[in-house]
Amino acid sequence: AQTVTQSQPEMSVQEAETVTLSCTYDTSENNYYLFWYKQPPSRQMILVIRQEAYKQQNATENRFSVNFQKAAKSFSLKISDSQLGDTAMYFCAFTSRAGGTSYGKLTFGQGTILTVHP
Amino acid sequence: DAGVIQSPRHEVTEMGQEVTLRCKPISGHDYLFWYRQTMMRGLELLIYFNNNVPIDDSGMPEDRFSAKMPNASFSTLKIQPSEPRDSAVYFCASSRDRGSQPQHFGDGTRLSIL
Repeated sequence: AQTVTQSQPEMSVQEAETVTLSCTYDTSENNYYLFWYKQPPSRQMILVIRQEAYKQQNATENRFSVNFQKAAKSFSLKISDSQLGDTAMYFCAFTSRAGGTSYGKLTFGQGTILTVHP
Repeated sequence: DAGVIQSPRHEVTEMGQEVTLRCKPISGHDYLFWYRQTMMRGLELLIYFNNNVPIDDSGMPEDRFSAKMPNASFSTLKIQPSEPRDSAVYFCASSRDRGSQPQHFGDGTRLSIL
């Protein structure tokens, strides 16, 4: 079974600065997808970024980028030029591409609460 | 496109009552997922459907929980009888594909069982 670990329960950053959220995962599979989701106080779950394991290039979405280290099974999220609206709980998630019923099932980490201070 | 629509947004009921949560997925999405979020256990997948057929219900906690998807645009998650430990936020999500395409979440239903 896959596991996802976020070792930072809480993080804080000043507005306009950069912050990195950590995520590690454990799997025996070679082909999978990784995601970061954001959950603001409104409780919506919003997709931030997606990474395909077979792509070596790190995914980027505007101010959000990832550092994907497949051998180390690490998938960190970097937020540049932090904004007050980035304040939220951030979840790292894994899904397998292997066959069977496990394909497509999202396994989430425990979450990291990020607070952006003015 | 409209997003995933869940109702009700909040539900407060007494222990022992039947609770029905509703979800309308995004049109054209073939996969529908039900999740539960609690402080203790985080986000857990309860069940998912493909083309209205349940594929994996291994996350459903007990027989008191049941889920149906009678057509491509509607699903329900039912708890009968409800217990205080069922209090949580329940999310519905849908996706076009079960792996490569991301899941789109509804706003969730906050359920409180007194």
